Amino acid sequence: DIQMTQSPASLSASVGETVTITCRASENIYSYLAWYQQKQGKSPQLLVYNAKTLAEGVPSRFSGSGSGTQFSLKINSLQPEDFGSYYCQHHYGTPYTFGGGTKLEIK
Amino acid sequence: EVQLQQSGPELEKPGASVKISCKASGYSFTGYNMNWVKQSNGKSLEWIGNIDPYYGGTSYNQKFKGKATLTVDKSSSTAYMQLKSLTSEDSAVYYCARWVGNWGFDYWGQGTTLTVSS
Repeated sequence: DIQMTQSPASLSASVGETVTITCRASENIYSYLAWYQQKQGKSPQLLVYNAKTLAEGVPSRFSGSGSGTQFSLKINSLQPEDFGSYYCQHHYGTPYTFGGGTKLEIK
Repeated sequence: EVQLQQSGPELEKPGASVKISCKASGYSFTGYNMNWVKQSNGKSLEWIGNIDPYYGGTSYNQKFKGKATLTVDKSSSTAYMQLKSLTSEDSAVYYCARWVGNWGFDYWGQGTTLTVSS
């Protein structure tokens, strides 16, 4: 199975700051990577697919990049509603696997 | 509006079985694979498997083979996941999620909490 390693596991930032979350795949997954946001007690929501394409309705302050084994999710000018957990997930064949998650908290 | 409505919380004893449902609405049920995802104790997410509602074909994560069985009822646009021989390790929130080919899981159910306890 392809392993997805996310870092950092947790992150503390202030409103207005810019943060970057990284995700590494254990083998080449080309651009078959998605990012999800999950708020406490809620279901995950798709943010980015194909490594860099924003899902419908996702604000432009979010951006995804990378290919192969190294990927990142950048959030510019953090807003209060951006705090929560973020997960990467590959879909280069099954079993799909997720990263361990990054918990983004308010400083 | 696409919606995936899951059944309510379950409390089961060790060794029992449970069947969780996911009723889809707002789209063509047979046009998209339905997936199931496990989240234990607020931790990360594990893909259990998926089912093609049109043909009924399934694909499972090896870890959940023998544990989970996925089925659908096309007449009611409902997907089901049965979990058997429950242990405390099966206590988790289970989500159904619609798969959009080469994109990701674009719609998720609200989650069903399963608690396995004697």
